[in-house]
Amino acid sequence: GAGVSQSPSNKVTEKGKDVELRCDPISGHTALYWYRQSLGQGLEFLIYFQGNSAPDKSGLPSDRFSAERTGGSVSTLTIQRTQQEDSAVYLCASSLAGHRSVYNEQFFGPGTRLTVL
Amino acid sequence: GQQVMQIPQYQHVQEGEDFTTYCNSSTTLSNIQWYKQRPGGHPVFLIQLVKSGEVKKQKRLTFQFGEAKKNSSLHITATQTTDVGTYFCAVTTSGTYKYIFGTGTRLKVLA
Repeated sequence: GAGVSQSPSNKVTEKGKDVELRCDPISGHTALYWYRQSLGQGLEFLIYFQGNSAPDKSGLPSDRFSAERTGGSVSTLTIQRTQQEDSAVYLCASSLAGHRSVYNEQFFGPGTRLTVL
Repeated sequence: GQQVMQIPQYQHVQEGEDFTTYCNSSTTLSNIQWYKQRPGGHPVFLIQLVKSGEVKKQKRLTFQFGEAKKNSSLHITATQTTDVGTYFCAVTTSGTYKYIFGTGTRLKVLA
């Protein structure tokens, strides 16, 4: 079956513009994570969804960042008034169940590379 | 806040040599996952450890969870060029939803 897909694969935008990143998780996966990875760095947790609700938004860097998930499936990460420090690869991952389950292997998408000029 | 350190940051080995990376947490963990990320790729799940002192093996890879559930190790026996990449641990603690990724160990294997 299909894996996690993300779009666009690359996004170049100007400082101050809004961007929307999309994630299509594996069908049937209830948990969804967003991470950010700067060049040569580790993964920074942004937000976690269980179904359509986000019990943990603690990783969102500022109020310019928001995310939603609809129908327990597709998720969008929106960054308003982008800044140059927002440039990074944004990775989405889904898992069959939440973190309390043994079935929480995370399957990652290919990521969206965001460049803010 | 919780800190997760991996050592070493970089490791260059000759093909056939062994390799070990360590993941250390400042707090007691609920479980730990290990991922491998090839250059230009995305992280791929390797294993999950949940029990104190647990040891799991996958062919040439051996994973161990410390008795106090604060550290873990990944050991690769007789490295091959296909082992090249960055190895990350990802940890979670009881009562939290987030996975904190370690700083990663970048492995280079010289043929």
